[in-house]
Amino acid sequence: GQQVMQIPQYQHVQEGEDFTTYCNSSTTLSNIQWYKQRPGGHPVFLIQLVKSGEVKKQKRLTFQFGEAKKNSSLHITATQTTDVGTYFCAGWRDTGNQFYFGTGTSLTVIP
Amino acid sequence: DVKVTQSSRYLVKRTGEKVFLECVQDMDHENMFWYRQDPGLGLRLIYFSYDVKMKEKGDIPEGYSVSREKKERFSLILESASTNQTSMYLCASRWAGGYNEQFFGPGTRLTVL
Repeated sequence: GQQVMQIPQYQHVQEGEDFTTYCNSSTTLSNIQWYKQRPGGHPVFLIQLVKSGEVKKQKRLTFQFGEAKKNSSLHITATQTTDVGTYFCAGWRDTGNQFYFGTGTSLTVIP
Repeated sequence: DVKVTQSSRYLVKRTGEKVFLECVQDMDHENMFWYRQDPGLGLRLIYFSYDVKMKEKGDIPEGYSVSREKKERFSLILESASTNQTSMYLCASRWAGGYNEQFFGPGTRLTVL
């Protein structure tokens, strides 16, 4: 079955509202990467977290890697229409040479 | 800038046809990947290649094969296309080692009638 789940699958927000997507793995991950896919585009790498409990920020985006290294979150403060797209988490399984993408969260921002 | 290109953006084939999807990268990446993307399922790994002539099955290899004769080129082959292989196919590449990011091509939307 699917190893890495993301919730919600879809999210509609008014411009200016905050947004959070959650990524949950059934196994411990060595790292978490986040990608953004604009409508009609391809996934583009945003950031990587490696340490347990790590938090990184990119302007209005805050990324967190859980203490147990099985979950992660992406929070966007004060969304803008340029944030529209699908956000994917991805990571290498801690044991074994396997890399998994999450199921993705599609964000729509209503102006 | 890393460039990953795919042979077609859109492709329409008939059931039973043999289909070739080509991917080329220009950054001398060792690792290359083929994914399919379906709504609600995210990106699922079909096959990946660590280096030339090397290949490993991903999560959903059934009905697919791959070829990597040259470092820059990774081909996905559907031996006998079926309607359930209608999907978006994404190729990616990365430098080997560590947790290096993947660079994606624009994707090929394949429709099998």
